[in-house]
Amino acid sequence: DQQVKQNSPSLSVQEGRISILNCDYTNSMFDYFLWYKKYPAEGPTFLISISSIKDKNEDGRFTVFLNKSAKHLSLHIVPSQPGDSAVYFCAASISGSARQLTFGSGTQLTVLP
Amino acid sequence: NAGVMQNPRHLVRRRGQEARLRCSPMKGHSHVYWYRQLPEEGLKFMVYLQKENIIDESGMPKERFSAEFPKEGPSILRIQQVVRGDSAAYFCASSPQGRGMSEAFFGQGTRLTVV
Repeated sequence: DQQVKQNSPSLSVQEGRISILNCDYTNSMFDYFLWYKKYPAEGPTFLISISSIKDKNEDGRFTVFLNKSAKHLSLHIVPSQPGDSAVYFCAASISGSARQLTFGSGTQLTVLP
Repeated sequence: NAGVMQNPRHLVRRRGQEARLRCSPMKGHSHVYWYRQLPEEGLKFMVYLQKENIIDESGMPKERFSAEFPKEGPSILRIQQVVRGDSAAYFCASSPQGRGMSEAFFGQGTRLTVV
């Protein structure tokens, strides 16, 4: 039973345009969400997070939106750069301390020059 | 190098052998997490430890898998009598005490191949 789903295995966007990566979850107990970026042969790198008491969090080119009623979150990258090409994982936890994360299966983002 | 260090990076074992994966946390980090990534899947939580104590092992398979984080030395994930289904990338992360995964850093992983 996949509690965190990333339904798009891949996404291609042109450099300079917006990248929108989507994530859905089924467990209403999740209250803290994180996005990670992963390059081949490396570990995941934390990008940005959001608590369920917020609906938006912004950090530079990265913005995460949370729609609790739809159990949906999205990561926006503006403007997209070729160095953003990586696999992006959405993750969720049931406590703010986020000790145990449930990950989605990832979306491969390719930013075309 | 102040990052989370995992070794070996690649490990090949024959079915029935034992695999030992090591993780040295970042300096000052007292908590370690192990995650496993099967092919074409996301990472799955296995175990969360602090020095000399297992805090949460709810993601660990009941048999053949064990983890420790001794007072001195790295955390060890041990898989006995490996089977083909154990082939995966195993990632370790570390965090300061009480900070959780939002302030954790991952290592580069150990890719285990069982032949």
